[in-house]
Amino acid sequence: GAVVSQHPSWVICKSGTSVKIECRSLDFQATTMFWYRQFPKQSLMLMATSNEGSKATYEQGVEKDKFLINHASLTLSTLTVTSAHPEDSSFYICSASPPAGGYTFGSGTRLTVV
Amino acid sequence: AQKITQTQPGMFVQEKEAVTLDCTYDTSDPSYGLFWYKQPSSGEMIFLIYQGSYDQQNATEGRYSLNFQKARKSANLVISASQLGDSAMYFCAMREKNQGGKLIFGQGTELSVKP
Repeated sequence: GAVVSQHPSWVICKSGTSVKIECRSLDFQATTMFWYRQFPKQSLMLMATSNEGSKATYEQGVEKDKFLINHASLTLSTLTVTSAHPEDSSFYICSASPPAGGYTFGSGTRLTVV
Repeated sequence: AQKITQTQPGMFVQEKEAVTLDCTYDTSDPSYGLFWYKQPSSGEMIFLIYQGSYDQQNATEGRYSLNFQKARKSANLVISASQLGDSAMYFCAMREKNQGGKLIFGQGTELSVKP
């Protein structure tokens, strides 16, 4: 089946540093990927839609300069949390739509900013 | 306005019993799809069942069935014969055709199955 690989699974970083999260579609091409953020026991909030070869589309209220998204190839999208602060600590998860339909999710990244 | 609403933050069910998780939605798009996902504590998102807005019959997948009431804009998930491994967060989600494939999630329901 369609697989989306997300790395790292967890990361701890110091306040003020940047963290990059990768999302790869392993066996299909994804012109679009979606990035979500989830706080404990809460919903998955869509942050942005990543578009291959063009700028990402951000949801209202999401800081574009804070959460940089790059979708340089048909199989790779990255989310960079810039100048991370403790309030950015969260679970980040990506998804893509394989040709067969539906959505395939990455395994998620637990970010802790100390 | 909330597009997807799950009004049950937490639910308990006895093992082997059936349980219904509620989901209502709001859309003016005639073409949409409704999804249910299970999220265990590991965080992975496990697809359970899908219902298209034009589907005439309620979707079923093994122990999962979707009670789709289009006029009421509800898409409740029914889990039959609950198992201990069913304890998890459950999310209802909607995709509208005119929204570029975005999947929007409800608040989630935490299901606990008691032995």
